[in-house]
Amino acid sequence: GAVVSQHPSRVICKSGTSVKIECRSLDFQATTMFWYRQFPKQSLMLMATSNEGSKATYEQGVEKDKFLINHASLTLSTLTVTSAHPEDSSFYICSASPRTSSADTQYFGPGTRLTVL
Amino acid sequence: AQKITQTQPGMFVQEKEAVTLDCTYDTSDQSYGLFWYKQPSSGEMIFLIYQGSYDEQNATEGRYSLNFQKARKSANLVISASQLGDSAMYFCAMREGRYSSASKIIFGSGTRLSIRP
Repeated sequence: GAVVSQHPSRVICKSGTSVKIECRSLDFQATTMFWYRQFPKQSLMLMATSNEGSKATYEQGVEKDKFLINHASLTLSTLTVTSAHPEDSSFYICSASPRTSSADTQYFGPGTRLTVL
Repeated sequence: AQKITQTQPGMFVQEKEAVTLDCTYDTSDQSYGLFWYKQPSSGEMIFLIYQGSYDEQNATEGRYSLNFQKARKSANLVISASQLGDSAMYFCAMREGRYSSASKIIFGSGTRLSIRP
């Protein structure tokens, strides 16, 4: 099946710093990728839809200046948490669907656990 | 707006027994897709099974089957002959509209399944 990777898998940072998370589709092209966040023992909440070559579409209540998304190529999307604070600590997961697939599912990355001290 | 409801926050099942995880959904679209994902403690999201709204037969994938009752708007997951490795969080999810690689998937709150030896 299609493979999606994320880097880093874990990151600990100080409050006020910015953290970049990469999401890559390893064996397929993805014009669209999705970013989710998941708090402990909760569900995945869609943050934004990342569109290759254009601006991301953010869900209601998600600050676009706080969570910067760049989708520079058909295999890479990045999420930058700017001026991170402890409340940003969460599990961030990306997903993507192959452009030409009929499998009708999204493939998820392994997730990035962010801890802001 | 679409909505996914999972009413069982947690379930305990004896090994080798079958288990049904409940999921109801709400949508005004005629075309949609329903998914089940498994999330073990490692955090990765594992795709289990998919049911399209126009599929007449219930989807099956090995020990997993989806009991799709369109009139009731329910899409319960049935796991036969449960195994210890089935212990995980299970999420029901839905995509509204016809499939495209840009389709959003929205998740329910999840059910934590624990298998007793």
